[in-house]
Amino acid sequence: SQTIHQWPATLVQPVGSPLSLECTVEGTSNPNLYWYRQAAGRGLQLLFYSVGIGQISSEVPQNLSASRPQDRQFILSSKKLLLSDSGFYLCAWSVADSGDTQYFGPGTRLTVL
Amino acid sequence: AQSVTQPDIHITVSEGASLELRCNYSYGATPYLFWYVQSPGQGLQLLLKYFSGDTLVQGIKGFEAEFKRSQSSFNLRKPSVHWSDAAEYFCAVVYEAAGNKLTFGGGTRVLVKP
Repeated sequence: SQTIHQWPATLVQPVGSPLSLECTVEGTSNPNLYWYRQAAGRGLQLLFYSVGIGQISSEVPQNLSASRPQDRQFILSSKKLLLSDSGFYLCAWSVADSGDTQYFGPGTRLTVL
Repeated sequence: AQSVTQPDIHITVSEGASLELRCNYSYGATPYLFWYVQSPGQGLQLLLKYFSGDTLVQGIKGFEAEFKRSQSSFNLRKPSVHWSDAAEYFCAVVYEAAGNKLTFGGGTRVLVKP
């Protein structure tokens, strides 16, 4: 069966520090991968998605970037965090087919102070 | 652009009572519709999905949803709520023409009274 992991589970970082969040998927090949952010009291916003290694699409301009160095690894990064980057970050995967179901990881709670 | 509206931000229901959560989506051809549930501090768990066929969809945990194209709605229901159903519920939609990009509603937080 497929599983999706995210780490760390929680993170507290000072403003201006770098960020690296990792997401890995097991039990499937060539998945579509997604990063979402959920700000406090708000819905989910798609940040990035990837259909293959090295292929990243950005949905909104922001202080963050994403990379996919391996087929089942998706990394969310920042060089300098802002207060507004605080939130709950969710990674998701789907079979590489239009309209298929997305399955979510447990999330990372990021607090920028 | 596709959009999803969940009109109710909060709903409080007594344990054992029925629950209905509303979801409306912007008009579009061939929508794929989903309901997810999120417990506090957790990721999202898929409750059910509609792609085609029977418009009444059964999901996990005793939930069901009905797709009504004429009303652009996909409301979620449960006949008898349990305390463990207290969570936030998200409706989401994908349009085939837009690829596999989920658009989420703002969520409905459900509180269950004993």
